[in-house]
Amino acid sequence: GQQVMQIPQYQHVQEGEDFTTYCNSSTTLSNIQWYKQRPGGHPVFLIQLVKSGEVKKQKRLTFQFGEAKKNSSLHITATQTTDVGTYFCAGELNSGYALNFGKGTSLLVTP
Amino acid sequence: DAGVIQSPRHEVTEMGQEVTLRCKPISGHDYLFWYRQTMMRGLELLIYFNNNVPIDDSGMPEDRFSAKMPNASFSTLKIQPSEPRDSAVYFCASTGGRNTIYFGEGSWLTVV
Repeated sequence: GQQVMQIPQYQHVQEGEDFTTYCNSSTTLSNIQWYKQRPGGHPVFLIQLVKSGEVKKQKRLTFQFGEAKKNSSLHITATQTTDVGTYFCAGELNSGYALNFGKGTSLLVTP
Repeated sequence: DAGVIQSPRHEVTEMGQEVTLRCKPISGHDYLFWYRQTMMRGLELLIYFNNNVPIDDSGMPEDRFSAKMPNASFSTLKIQPSEPRDSAVYFCASTGGRNTIYFGEGSWLTVV
């Protein structure tokens, strides 16, 4: 079945360094969503990408959707301690409207 | 504006006991999802409903798991009998369409 893979699983950076997480799907996605989960919290929606090659920015966060709509990335510039958490990408399942989540990338930022 | 409401927030139960998790989706949302999160398996979709009708329950791990949605404002996920490997965080989520999915704060289940 369709799977959404994310790398890396973990990333530890110093505050001020950049961070990137990558998401790959075995099949073409109609859209991709990104979520952030703080430690002990619940996933919170960040953004949705729909168009091939789409790039969206939210302050220090840049999201990209690949031309083939099979991969995506989230890049954080100059990380801050508030960026700590797990970042998930999610693509729609073929069987209908439900999201298949990647296993997430856990980001740790040390001051 | 209330979000997705789940109860209980935390539950510790003994193996073999029945566990019932409850969820109230955001008013007006017609999709409801139950996810389970563990360190090993990440976020897994268990089942989802559209207009109170179960659409896909292929993620339900075993017959010990069942879910119902008797009306648009309430859903339950039941585990009977519970086992230690069912220990996880169970999230309920809802959405009104092909847009943001809103998660509840989760029910943290420990089966001893």
